[in-house]
Amino acid sequence: DQQVKQNSPSLSVQEGRISILNCDYTNSMFDYFLWYKKYPAEGPTFLISISSIKDKNEDGRFTVFLNKSAKHLSLHIVPSQPGDSAVYFCAARGASGGTSYGKLTFGQGTILTVHP
Amino acid sequence: DSGVTQTPKHLITATGQRVTLRCSPRSGDLSVYWYQQSLDQGLQFLIQYYNGEERAKGNILERFSAQQFPDLHSELNLSSLELGDSALYFCASSVVWSSYNEQFFGPGTRLTVL
Repeated sequence: DQQVKQNSPSLSVQEGRISILNCDYTNSMFDYFLWYKKYPAEGPTFLISISSIKDKNEDGRFTVFLNKSAKHLSLHIVPSQPGDSAVYFCAARGASGGTSYGKLTFGQGTILTVHP
Repeated sequence: DSGVTQTPKHLITATGQRVTLRCSPRSGDLSVYWYQQSLDQGLQFLIQYYNGEERAKGNILERFSAQQFPDLHSELNLSSLELGDSALYFCASSVVWSSYNEQFFGPGTRLTVL
């Protein structure tokens, strides 16, 4: 039962262009959504998050959008840089009142490659 | 460098064996989380400890167990290993028990079961 899904295993983008990574979820009992970035041979690193009561959060070149009605979130990177090449995981935190309170549920990851 | 250390980096063993993975959290962090990343899978939450006590459990198999010691380091014990247990095992730590973005991940231990 995959509650958080990243349907695109990989994405290739030209340097300077926009990268859009997508994530879908099925469980309404999530209160925070997060994006993590992972380089080879390293653990995931937190990138940006968004509360379920918001629809947009921006941090520099990174913006996360949340569409609750569609149970969909996306990460926009503008402009994309070669150093952004990594695996990106979306994750969702269980809300209070649910059996998964506080737990993070991760998607399968999307490999982003930014070409110079 | 996240400040979270995991040993060993690589582990190769045979089916039926038992292994122990070790994690040292960042200085001052009381909470430790264990995750499993299998091929083509996202990170699966296994278990969390906070200040020595089990706080939350995910899809952790009965063959797996963990503990957090008084010095706050944690160990994940995997027994009766099967081929399907081959995966990357990550440890993460945070200051408080319910943090999300404040989870700092270690570099992982790659377990190969032959």
